[in-house]
Amino acid sequence: GENVEQHPSTLSVQEGDSAVIKCTYSDSASNYFPWYKQELGKRPQLIIDIRSNVGEKKDQRIAVTLNKTAKHFSLHITETQPEDSAVYFCAARYSSASKIIFGSGTRLSIRP
Amino acid sequence: EAGVVQSPRYKIIEKKQPVAFWCNPISGHNTLYWYLQNLGQGPELLIRYENEEAVDDSQLPKDRFSAERLKGVDSTLKIQPAELGDSAVYLCASSRAGHLGSGRNTGELFFGEGSRLTVL
Repeated sequence: GENVEQHPSTLSVQEGDSAVIKCTYSDSASNYFPWYKQELGKRPQLIIDIRSNVGEKKDQRIAVTLNKTAKHFSLHITETQPEDSAVYFCAARYSSASKIIFGSGTRLSIRP
Repeated sequence: EAGVVQSPRYKIIEKKQPVAFWCNPISGHNTLYWYLQNLGQGPELLIRYENEEAVDDSQLPKDRFSAERLKGVDSTLKIQPAELGDSAVYLCASSRAGHLGSGRNTGELFFGEGSRLTVL
């Protein structure tokens, strides 16, 4: 069935280091992969997205890579800062139903 | 531009009582979603509307949950009767189109602040 797996569930990195979060999806026809950031008590907000016709996309310190063959995509945050601490959710749009399925989230903590 | 508005932000009820949540999407967004988010988990889709039509309600527990989107704008999600396990945050989101188009941000979900339900 439709499923998005996300790892790790928690991640702690030293300020200034890089963080990587990985996700896999089950439907090979999925064509849109957004990443959302959710700070404590707040709404999820889109930080970056990638479509299936692109292998990599970068926006300042964040980047997303997509491997369609392996059906996995990753979020990369470089030069991490305290304000990067939050829960990050990957998601995939399943084209058969045009609905977005979310991963279970990664709680990222940045150590000073 | 006003964002997605939800109310109430918090609701505490006793089990077996009814509860209703309201959502006003961003103007011009014809697709509206209701998600359920348990603590420490990702949002889980309950129902998706294209205008006033519910096009995906396969995850909605229809024995106690109901939703409507009259006139294709505001939406209401109801639970009757509520159970202890319904305690969660109910998120509403909207997007400009139900499928990917040529626009850069087409398909992006804009979430409301959520309605936190506690069932005692």
